[in-house]
Amino acid sequence: AQSVTQLDSQVPVFEEAPVELRCNYSSSVSVYLFWYVQYPNQGLQLLLKYLSGSTLVKGINGFEAEFNKSQTSFHLRKPSVHISDTAEYFCAVSETANDMRFGAGTRLTVKP
Amino acid sequence: DTEVTQTPKHLVMGMTNKKSLKCEQHMGHRAMYWYKQKAKKPPELMFVYSYEKLSINESVPSRFSPECPNSSLLNLHLHALQPEDSALYLCASSRPRGGPGNEQFFGPGTRLTVL
Repeated sequence: AQSVTQLDSQVPVFEEAPVELRCNYSSSVSVYLFWYVQYPNQGLQLLLKYLSGSTLVKGINGFEAEFNKSQTSFHLRKPSVHISDTAEYFCAVSETANDMRFGAGTRLTVKP
Repeated sequence: DTEVTQTPKHLVMGMTNKKSLKCEQHMGHRAMYWYKQKAKKPPELMFVYSYEKLSINESVPSRFSPECPNSSLLNLHLHALQPEDSALYLCASSRPRGGPGNEQFFGPGTRLTVL
């Protein structure tokens, strides 16, 4: 069965600094990987997804992620963060239709 | 319209009450989901409907009863809940076909408090 591990529960960073949020997955078959963001008291919004093809995926709000099959990783990066990026970030994996499993989440806090 | 709406935004209920949560989407999606999210935790899948039929029930207690009256609506009926059921309940929708890479669109959630 598929699963994801988010290696950091909290990531504090200063404004305009780069950030990387780490995600490792476990699966016995081909997987589809997602990053979602959740702002306080809101639902989840898709940042980006990897289905196939290029291993570097670009998403909204300047985020990108790289799929690394040998390392079973799908880390999320942004070269320069803003205060407004403060939120909870979830990595998710899907093997079969309609079955998505989320990681525990990483709380990104951007400080001025 | 790329929005999933949920009502009410907040709900406070006693353990003997009966209430319902409502979810609506007009994107033509034929898969709809209920998730439960406790504070500082990821969403946990509860139910999946595909083409208005229940396809996944993650061993959810019977005090939660889902209903999909048509392709745009999803309800979650609540009865005899416990305080530990207090959480954010999220609804989502997606296209059911085309492989497992379908993005799920989430609503803003209903914040439920059981007294």
